[in-house]
Amino acid sequence: GENVEQHPSTLSVQEGDSAVIKCTYSDSASNYFPWYKQELGKRPQLIIDIRSNVGEKKDQRIAVTLNKTAKHFSLHITETQPEDSAVYFCAAWTSYDKVIFGPGTSLSVIP
Amino acid sequence: NAGVTQTPKFQVLKTGQSMTLQCAQDMNHEYMSWYRQDPGMGLRLIHYSVGAGITDQGEVPNGYNVSRSTTEDFPLRLLSAAPSQTSVYFCASSYQPGGMNTGELFFGEGSRLTVL
Repeated sequence: GENVEQHPSTLSVQEGDSAVIKCTYSDSASNYFPWYKQELGKRPQLIIDIRSNVGEKKDQRIAVTLNKTAKHFSLHITETQPEDSAVYFCAAWTSYDKVIFGPGTSLSVIP
Repeated sequence: NAGVTQTPKFQVLKTGQSMTLQCAQDMNHEYMSWYRQDPGMGLRLIHYSVGAGITDQGEVPNGYNVSRSTTEDFPLRLLSAAPSQTSVYFCASSYQPGGMNTGELFFGEGSRLTVL
């Protein structure tokens, strides 16, 4: 079945450093790849997304890259701040309208 | 505009009991889905629906039923609760004009279920 892998499971960085989270997906027909941020006790919220016809997208300090040939995509956060501390999930919309999430990355930004 | 509303927020059940988690959205979204969230396992898709009268199974459908009689509501039924169904459940919806996924899932606040 469809699968999304995500690495690392935990990530700790110093404030101001960059953080990178990587995901791979199995359904080659997937065409939409969102990233969600979930703060402790809250619901997941979309932070950035990318479609299969685009290789890179940037929004202020966050960016996402997509390599369709290799079936992987990555989230990049620059100049990290303590408020970036949260769990981040990648996801893929599959060809059957299923939205499959990765297992999550717990990011800690140390002041 | 309430968005996605889930009830109840907390529930404790005994093994074998049945219950329904309610989900309603007021954004006229065609796409609705249910996820369960367990530590270290992310969000796993239980069931989803691309429109009224249409439902389909996700990654972990066993022990759960759904129906979609209206665009607004998508209830999740636990037929005979088991301790393995202890989890946080999220309902989510998305706008899909003409069947094309626009992507963003809007989540409810979650329902924490404990099965003893």
